Amino acid sequence: EVHLLESGGGLVQPGGSLRLSCAASGFTFSSYTMTWVRQAPGKGLEWVSTINRSGTRTYYGDSVKGRFTISRDNSKNVLYLHMSSPRADDTAVYYCAKEWQEMASWGQGTLVTVSS
Amino acid sequence: SYDLTQPPSVSVSPGQTASIPCSGDRLGDKYVCWYQQKPGQSPVLVVHQNSRRPSGIPDRFSGSNSGNTAALTISGTQAMDEADYFCQVWDNSIVVFGGGTKLTVL
Repeated sequence: EVHLLESGGGLVQPGGSLRLSCAASGFTFSSYTMTWVRQAPGKGLEWVSTINRSGTRTYYGDSVKGRFTISRDNSKNVLYLHMSSPRADDTAVYYCAKEWQEMASWGQGTLVTVSS
Repeated sequence: SYDLTQPPSVSVSPGQTASIPCSGDRLGDKYVCWYQQKPGQSPVLVVHQNSRRPSGIPDRFSGSNSGNTAALTISGTQAMDEADYFCQVWDNSIVVFGGGTKLTVL
């Protein structure tokens, strides 16, 4: 059974930094593209970033491009999202998901609050 | 950028058929998938590739996609189907979600 477990969320000051992690199990992690999706309180889903199987190609939504960095460690089965210079409107639950054209497996999410 | 438009809300009586539309330019040329999200829970994929159901999704959920509009149809709607529903496409190496539709069963 696929299991995705996000961690690393919490309170971060505007302009600070934070790294989210997503531990994957139950499937061959290195064989799948992985994605981060976020959801601001009371709002809809917003695509954040995707990384290919080997980690050599990355894709970003316009709102985070240049500030966030997605990466992965296939030896540890972990997906990362490094958030630099977060803003108040980055406050959201961040989900990791398996694949990107259709995301059949999601984690439970980790809440990031950007506030001073 | 590519945009997907959904109505904010749809209401349906128990046992009736609910239809949730999702519109976008030449949407019929793309694969659409649908997610169900209940309060406090993660999204669940209920339809992919326009009309295919993942394992474990009841057959009362179906999808269609033609022209500029896709639709998620729930036949014999049950109280447990009350949730937010989001359409999604993959377009030119980006992922796009619709704004979401709150389905109320009353």
